[in-house]
Amino acid sequence: DSGVTQTPKHLITATGQRVTLRCSPRSGDLSVYWYQQSLDQGLQFLIQYYNGEERAKGNILERFSAQQFPDLHSELNLSSLELGDSALYFCASSERTTYNEQFFGPGTRLTVL
Amino acid sequence: LAKTTQPISMDSYEGQEVNITCSHNNIATNDYITWYQQFPSQGPRFIIQGYKTKVTNEVASLFIPADRKSSTLSLPRVSLSDTAVYYCLVGGQGNLIFGKGTKLSVKP
Repeated sequence: DSGVTQTPKHLITATGQRVTLRCSPRSGDLSVYWYQQSLDQGLQFLIQYYNGEERAKGNILERFSAQQFPDLHSELNLSSLELGDSALYFCASSERTTYNEQFFGPGTRLTVL
Repeated sequence: LAKTTQPISMDSYEGQEVNITCSHNNIATNDYITWYQQFPSQGPRFIIQGYKTKVTNEVASLFIPADRKSSTLSLPRVSLSDTAVYYCLVGGQGNLIFGKGTKLSVKP
């Protein structure tokens, strides 16, 4: 158990819909990262937040957005969903910056029908 | 941005040493190299991290040559439980680039 929790574990929705994925980092970790894992693209970094502020952006689509709240939990919002958005979404946390070891949550499996 | 390349798969036998190499020709000056292990239906788990030369911990060693354009993860005396996918991650402040992963199969 990494100490990072993600909800929900599974999510099935339809094209065009909007969903929110939630992540609670390990106690004391200030950085939260979001990743997308699919069979064809592998693990793709989406975005990083540090203590409530956006710190780095990767291959995140404009239809996707994220935020980190004062209690340090984070949410990833995916809108106008497409079939290709079906993937495993991981959240990770680290003590401070990207140079620190990242602890990954169990992931949310999103299926878009 | 650094692009990483790893072998797709490797086979080994229990008790052998396994070396997995990752190429990252465009690595930036402030990028670190980190390796993660992933089992099916689980999130990746940290193995080791380094910047240059050699780093060793209780489970693995990481070798990084002076030009830092590649890195080699060394797993001593693998067991069946080391069967997993291994990813190299290159990055620092800014983008984080994962390799496609190397599927290691350890046979008895």
